[in-house]
Amino acid sequence: DQQVKQNSPSLSVQEGRISILNCDYTNSMFDYFLWYKKYPAEGPTFLISISSIKDKNEDGRFTVFLNKSAKHLSLHIVPSQPGDSAVYFCAAAGGATGFQKLVFGTGTRLLVSP
Amino acid sequence: DGGITQSPKYLFRKEGQNVTLSCEQNLNHDAMYWYRQDPGQGLRLIYYSQIVNDFQKGDIAEGYSVSREKKESFPLTVTSAQKNPTAFYLCASRPGLAFRDTQYFGPGTRLTVL
Repeated sequence: DQQVKQNSPSLSVQEGRISILNCDYTNSMFDYFLWYKKYPAEGPTFLISISSIKDKNEDGRFTVFLNKSAKHLSLHIVPSQPGDSAVYFCAAAGGATGFQKLVFGTGTRLLVSP
Repeated sequence: DGGITQSPKYLFRKEGQNVTLSCEQNLNHDAMYWYRQDPGQGLRLIYYSQIVNDFQKGDIAEGYSVSREKKESFPLTVTSAQKNPTAFYLCASRPGLAFRDTQYFGPGTRLTVL
């Protein structure tokens, strides 16, 4: 039972354009969401988070949008840079799993070409 | 430097042997976690520990064991009972158990069973 889904395994974008990565969740009890970025053979690094009381959170080039009614969140990267090429995981917490555990999606591989 | 270290980076073992993966953190974090990542899949939780001398099973604990004798250390043993041990293993820690405490990841250990 995949509670957090990233339906696009890969995304290709040109440098300078916007990258939009999507994530859907099924558990309505989730109320905290995170995005992590991962390079090959390295651990994920925390990027940005959002709690369910907000619908948008911005940090520099990265913005996360949350649509609770649709159980959907997205990560926007503007402008995209070649160094952004990595796998992006969304994760969720809350509800029965509490805040001790994160439930991860399967990841989206972003390729930003010069 | 504060951080999470995992050793070794690459590990090979023969089928039927137990192997222990090391995870150390000097961040004074209370909670620690073990995940595995397989190609095309998200991060799946193996075990986690919220406090010294206590740990809980995650979603895929079968064939694994852990200990938490010290706050800074959370070793994972992959036993011969684990049917598909070849994977990338990630250790993470979290400052506490509060809402919005972020998990920080180590660099990972790639285990290959020959």
